[in-house]
Amino acid sequence: DVKVTQSSRYLVKRTGEKVFLECVQDMDHENMFWYRQDPGLGLRLIYFSYDVKMKEKGDIPEGYSVSREKKERFSLILESASTNQTSMYLCASSFPGVGQPQHFGDGTRLSIL
Amino acid sequence: AQRVTQPEKLLSVFKGAPVELKCNYSYSGSPELFWYVQYSRQRLQLLLRHISRESIKGFTADLNKGETSFHLKKPFAQEEDSAMYYCALLDSSYKLIFGSGTRLLVRP
Repeated sequence: DVKVTQSSRYLVKRTGEKVFLECVQDMDHENMFWYRQDPGLGLRLIYFSYDVKMKEKGDIPEGYSVSREKKERFSLILESASTNQTSMYLCASSFPGVGQPQHFGDGTRLSIL
Repeated sequence: AQRVTQPEKLLSVFKGAPVELKCNYSYSGSPELFWYVQYSRQRLQLLLRHISRESIKGFTADLNKGETSFHLKKPFAQEEDSAMYYCALLDSSYKLIFGSGTRLLVRP
């Protein structure tokens, strides 16, 4: 069974802090993704990565960066957290190719005060 | 523009009633579509994909290219079907575009 693990279930940080959200998958998936989930907006893609050290911007990359130093780990970084980044953050991974489903972690509920 | 529209934020039905969760898409090529489900306090998970033509937990979804729709259907809803449902489209860069989601509430 695919396991995508996000380091924290709940996180509270202050405005201006640098925040790290970690995600690890154990299925040797090439693709990894970071989304934020907001009521009424669904899931919006922040960044994704097709391979180690590769990253691509998604639909809403502003205020975020990512790091993929190892295949199994994909980190999302909030350079200077702001209150509008309070959200549920979901990590996902998949094999490449058409029809390959994405497997999601439990999510991190991040509150920026 | 590539887009997925789920017009209903909330759909409330009684147990045993038929369910149809609507999904419309905008895509210029041949679409690859999915339904994902998130039960309360659980992770988002794949429910079904159109290329598999499968029925999962009694749910089916048929791609209608003429109407650009991929509605999710179940003839008899169960209370355990209550969840958040997302329709998603695989875009030309192999990224998923999600709809805004529909909360299904099945009442006893």
